[in-house]
Amino acid sequence: AQSVAQPEDQVNVAEGNPLTVKCTYSVSGNPYLFWYVQYPNRGLQFLLKYITGDNLVKGSYGFEAEFNKSQTSFHLKKPSALVSDSALYFCAVRDRPGRRALTFGSGTRLQVQP
Amino acid sequence: EPEVTQTPSHQVTQMGQEVILRCVPISNHLYFYWYRQILGQKVEFLVSFYNNEISEKSEIFDDQFSVERPDGSNFTLKIRSTKLEDSAMYFCASSELVRSDEAFFGQGTRLTVV
Repeated sequence: AQSVAQPEDQVNVAEGNPLTVKCTYSVSGNPYLFWYVQYPNRGLQFLLKYITGDNLVKGSYGFEAEFNKSQTSFHLKKPSALVSDSALYFCAVRDRPGRRALTFGSGTRLQVQP
Repeated sequence: EPEVTQTPSHQVTQMGQEVILRCVPISNHLYFYWYRQILGQKVEFLVSFYNNEISEKSEIFDDQFSVERPDGSNFTLKIRSTKLEDSAMYFCASSELVRSDEAFFGQGTRLTVV
């Protein structure tokens, strides 16, 4: 069975500093990896995905994520955090094409301090 | 920006009653989904729907649950004979045919069973 782990419930970072939100996964086949963000009173918004190709994936709002097969990780990064990036971030995985179900991590709350 | 809308935002129902959660997916999307998140737990996949039929469902989606697309715009989740453990935030999502990996989520309906 596929699974996703987000080891940090909360990440605090100062505005302007780089941020990393961690995610590790476990799947039986090749992983299809996603990051979603949830702002207060809003639905989950798609940020970026890794299907195949370059290990560094660029997404919305200046976010990027690095796929590391040997470490089974897909950490979300941004070079310079903004206060407006404060939100709940979810990592998700799908283990094969054609399958629609996403398995989500427990979420990490990012708090960017001014 | 187009978005998935869900109604109501909060529903309280008595145990044993039937509830219908409503969703209006983005108009040109063809894949529809329901997920749920029990308080303090992970977002869990319930069901996906395409071409007027269920394409995938999880173990959670038993005979108590059903989905329907009654017209060209709505997508509903019916829960028959609700139980206390059905209390959760229910998210509807949709995705288009070409970039079907990128699901757009609604803001959720909080269901409270008392």
